[in-house]
Amino acid sequence: RKEVEQDPGPFNVPEGATVAFNCTYSNSASQSFFWYRQDCRKEPKLLMSVYSSGNEDGRFTAQLNRASQYISLLIRDSKLSDSATYLCVVNRMDSSYKLIFGSGTRLLVRP
Amino acid sequence: EAGVAQSPRYKIIEKRQSVAFWCNPISGHATLYWYQQILGQGPKLLIQFQNNGVVDDSQLPKDRFSAERLKGVDSTLKIQPAKLEDSAVYLCASSLAASGIPDTGELFFGEGSRLTVL
Repeated sequence: RKEVEQDPGPFNVPEGATVAFNCTYSNSASQSFFWYRQDCRKEPKLLMSVYSSGNEDGRFTAQLNRASQYISLLIRDSKLSDSATYLCVVNRMDSSYKLIFGSGTRLLVRP
Repeated sequence: EAGVAQSPRYKIIEKRQSVAFWCNPISGHATLYWYQQILGQGPKLLIQFQNNGVVDDSQLPKDRFSAERLKGVDSTLKIQPAKLEDSAVYLCASSLAASGIPDTGELFFGEGSRLTVL
């Protein structure tokens, strides 16, 4: 089982739609959670951190469910510019602090 | 502020040849990472440095991959000899973390070096 698992998609939605991605992680000791965004043939960039109480940044809402070990990202009022791959990232703390990336969920927003 | 610089951007080699990638992190960033991203997959950590010391290289195929960060600033990643399955984008990232724990979890990535092995 992969340490961080995501539905690869693609999710193909019209502009203005609401779309949600889920991510599950296997290490119950993980403490830090993030969503990164990666545009086609570009480098990943931090979209937002995910806090235990859930957090919102404009049209983006992130939720964490520690009991079920899953993280979600909700995008409201999708824009064409939201088309990208969304990477779920979880920390692993063994000999050092490291970030483990999921394979990503691809989102296509159509006009 | 200058971002993470990587070179070359693209490299095509034949299997069994060698290749080297260079990375210059953001000034003042203590921690440097090399990730391998194969098409359709997420980035996979190869090696992590804190200053000039190796923090983690458990996923680095040491029979063919090597990396160094001699003065705690820029870094090189070498592959020798290359295999077909090494075709990927090699991403360098840096973070401020001085103790190995990022304050915000934000890694700053370079644009990557795209390797094709024929």
